[in-house]
Amino acid sequence: QSVLTQPPSVSAAPGQKVTISCSGSSSNIGNNYVSWYQQLPGTAPKLLIYDNNKRPSGIPDRFSGSKSGTSATLGITGLQTGDEADYYCGTWDSSLSGLFGGGTKLTVL
Amino acid sequence: QVQLQESGPGLVKPSETLSLTCTVSGGSISSYYWSWIRQPPGKGLEWIGYIYYSGSTNYNPSLKSRVTISVDTSKNQFSLKLSSVTAADTAVYYCARELRMTTVTTGIENWFDPWGQGTLVTVSS
Repeated sequence: QSVLTQPPSVSAAPGQKVTISCSGSSSNIGNNYVSWYQQLPGTAPKLLIYDNNKRPSGIPDRFSGSKSGTSATLGITGLQTGDEADYYCGTWDSSLSGLFGGGTKLTVL
Repeated sequence: QVQLQESGPGLVKPSETLSLTCTVSGGSISSYYWSWIRQPPGKGLEWIGYIYYSGSTNYNPSLKSRVTISVDTSKNQFSLKLSSVTAADTAVYYCARELRMTTVTTGIENWFDPWGQGTLVTVSS
């Protein structure tokens, strides 16, 4: 069981908006930055968001990130069938270890 | 742009040592952190550890007693050794560049980009 808690699955219709939460504690999210990764089926994870809310070059603005206290949220608007993937949050922990959430499977109905 | 490629045996016997190498192309290994991350089949991601190009390391406390990460700057490569493996170590192993900054007031910024394609290592006799 991951220290960072994500919902196992979320779903929404094409064109709609979805949010994915990532809950931690003061020893990780509460005092450090959060990143988000998209893992399409059969591929390696890809960076979507870093420093809580920054998008790397090439990531569309349909993807957004936010952080409040010990939780973070990934938002995806204008859902497309190509967004179906597993999404992971990541951060650093005071135990001197990198952490990932358990992952959330997004289904675009 | 920077690309990473994992290489090594796909099958390791229980109690033996898993050894993988990550080759960095399109850029220098210098001035960055380099990480290993694994993903058991059907499960989530687990950070194994990182090495700075200068050789300093940090490992996941749960794996620390069995992990060694090393770097060869002349070959633009870094490597992972995981000893005394069991079936629980069966996973896809990824190497990734870790971007990392520490600020006293706002905490640690770290993210992984890019990633290698991953290599499946199965532990079985």
